[in-house]
Amino acid sequence: EPEVTQTPSHQVTQMGQEVILRCVPISNHLYFYWYRQILGQKVEFLVSFYNNEISEKSEIFDDQFSVERPDGSNFTLKIRSTKLEDSAMYFCASSARAGTISYEQYFGPGTRLTVT
Amino acid sequence: DQQVKQNSPSLSVQEGRISILNCDYTNSMFDYFLWYKKYPAEGPTFLISISSIKDKNEDGRFTVFLNKSAKHLSLHIVPSQPGDSAVYFCAATHPLLGGSARQLTFGSGTQLTVLP
Repeated sequence: EPEVTQTPSHQVTQMGQEVILRCVPISNHLYFYWYRQILGQKVEFLVSFYNNEISEKSEIFDDQFSVERPDGSNFTLKIRSTKLEDSAMYFCASSARAGTISYEQYFGPGTRLTVT
Repeated sequence: DQQVKQNSPSLSVQEGRISILNCDYTNSMFDYFLWYKKYPAEGPTFLISISSIKDKNEDGRFTVFLNKSAKHLSLHIVPSQPGDSAVYFCAATHPLLGGSARQLTFGSGTQLTVLP
């Protein structure tokens, strides 16, 4: 069964450094998302992406964040200058094949980002 | 932001019995609801969903009930199995969230433990 994959599984970085989290969504899906979960808190929406542009972003997704689909398979989240409060699990998700109306999102295993 | 609430942080059930997980929401614009299961160190796994035009959806051992007037949904698992032990999240979405790429709003989760 197709699945969303994410790399790396764990990333440790120093405050102020740039990180890139990578995701390979399910191959025939059209919509892509990033969510995060700070330890002990809810899963929070960051950004959605469709047709090579951002559909919507939350207030968390400030100028330090960017997303890109550099080729036909990868979907990346970049944090330009990491802060301690960026430490969280970051989940990529994808949804909906062409010609379907489906709101079910399929999540990857997550990348644990630790900012020291 | 408490638009989706899961008031029980934990639930313990004997194997073979019914597990009932509850979720309340406040935003009447939500028109689609989903349940996800999450094991430690993994991403959320989609379980079952329901549209607001329905009041029940069933898939094998899992049934979701929606009471729109009470803004309440529940997930029933019958019979419960030890492998069902996980954190269960309800999530909701509505048409104004992200256009075609709808963001999900998650509850805080309920830890289900099925005792052998």
